[in-house]
Amino acid sequence: AQRVTQPEKLLSVFKGAPVELKCNYSYSGSPELFWYVQYSRQRLQLLLRHISRESIKGFTADLNKGETSFHLKKPFAQEEDSAMYYCALGNNAGNMLTFGGGTRLMVKP
Amino acid sequence: NAGVTQTPKFRVLKTGQSMTLLCAQDMNHEYMYWYRQDPGMGLRLIHYSVGEGTTAKGEVPDGYNVSRLKKQNFLLGLESAAPSQTSVYFCASAQLKVAGTGARRDQPQHFGDGTRLSIL
Repeated sequence: AQRVTQPEKLLSVFKGAPVELKCNYSYSGSPELFWYVQYSRQRLQLLLRHISRESIKGFTADLNKGETSFHLKKPFAQEEDSAMYYCALGNNAGNMLTFGGGTRLMVKP
Repeated sequence: NAGVTQTPKFRVLKTGQSMTLLCAQDMNHEYMYWYRQDPGMGLRLIHYSVGEGTTAKGEVPDGYNVSRLKKQNFLLGLESAAPSQTSVYFCASAQLKVAGTGARRDQPQHFGDGTRLSIL
């Protein structure tokens, strides 16, 4: 069975500090991993996916198959980054996502 | 384009009442999903559909039924509401994509605004 774990329910940092939101997964196949974000009063939306290897809003995430992790990082947090972040894992059939429990990021001024 | 639209946005029910949540998407997506979001538990998949006329159970299907009579609509029904079903419900849709190898690849899911449902 596939599983996604986000160990931190809440992460609080000061503006300008580095941020790392942790995500670990368990999956027997070749994983496809995503980060979704939900800003206050907005709908859940895709932030980035590992196959794109892109940086969105200064965030990056590297898939580490050895450690089965897909941590989300940003070198300098901004107040507008405050949101709920979900890590998600796709299944082999390409039609289903398993979400982690989410981490609420609070960036203080 | 509206994307994914959920109705209603809020609802309060009494235990034992029934209701249907409607999800509509205008992106011609094949896949549609219903999730519930509870504090500390993230999003859990209730039911999903890979095409018109098809539905399948997700992680937490008990107490819910769904129908996909039209490609653009995905209905979630609660036949006899229980307080444990108090939650925020999200609908999502996604496009089917087949890679050159024939493998299906995950496409981003597009979410609605959610329906906040309270059952007393």
